[in-house]
Amino acid sequence: DQQVKQNSPSLSVQEGRISILNCDYTNSMFDYFLWYKKYPAEGPTFLISISSIKDKNEDGRFTVFLNKSAKHLSLHIVPSQPGDSAVYFCAASRRGGKLIFGQGTELSVKP
Amino acid sequence: KAGVTQTPRYLIKTRGQQVTLSCSPISGHRSVSWYQQTPGQGLQFLFEYFSETQRNKGNFPGRFSGRQFSNSRSEMNVSTLELGDSALYLCASKDLANTGELFFGEGSRLTVL
Repeated sequence: DQQVKQNSPSLSVQEGRISILNCDYTNSMFDYFLWYKKYPAEGPTFLISISSIKDKNEDGRFTVFLNKSAKHLSLHIVPSQPGDSAVYFCAASRRGGKLIFGQGTELSVKP
Repeated sequence: KAGVTQTPRYLIKTRGQQVTLSCSPISGHRSVSWYQQTPGQGLQFLFEYFSETQRNKGNFPGRFSGRQFSNSRSEMNVSTLELGDSALYLCASKDLANTGELFFGEGSRLTVL
């Protein structure tokens, strides 16, 4: 049972444009959501998070949006840069619980 | 501060063997989690340890086990290896004072032949 789903395995965008990565979850008890970025041969690194009491969190070029009624979150990267090319994982948890990850979306930003 | 350290980085085993992977968390972090990454499956949660006790467990067979030592270092063991166990095994630590951000190591790449 995949509680966190990223339905797009890959995404390709042009440098300077917006990248939108999507994530859906099924467990309404999740109250904390995170995005991680992973380069080949490296471990995932934390990017940005949002708690369920908010619907938006922004950090520089990265913004995460949370729609609790739709059980959907998205990560916006504006403007996209070639160095953003990586696999992006969304993750969710209940307070004190384990972090559940999605399958990942491979983003390719073309110069 | 040193990051999460995993050893070995790469290893090759044959079916039926067993393997032990090691993880040293960030200094001061007492929670250690293990994940398995395979293509198309993302990161699958194996287990989490805190203060030498297993706190959470994923849906993996009993061949997968782990433990944590008093210095917070952790090991995971896979017995009777199967071809499907080939994966990247990632260890992550966190400071429980922080809401939930995990800090990952670079992983141990296991290949089962």
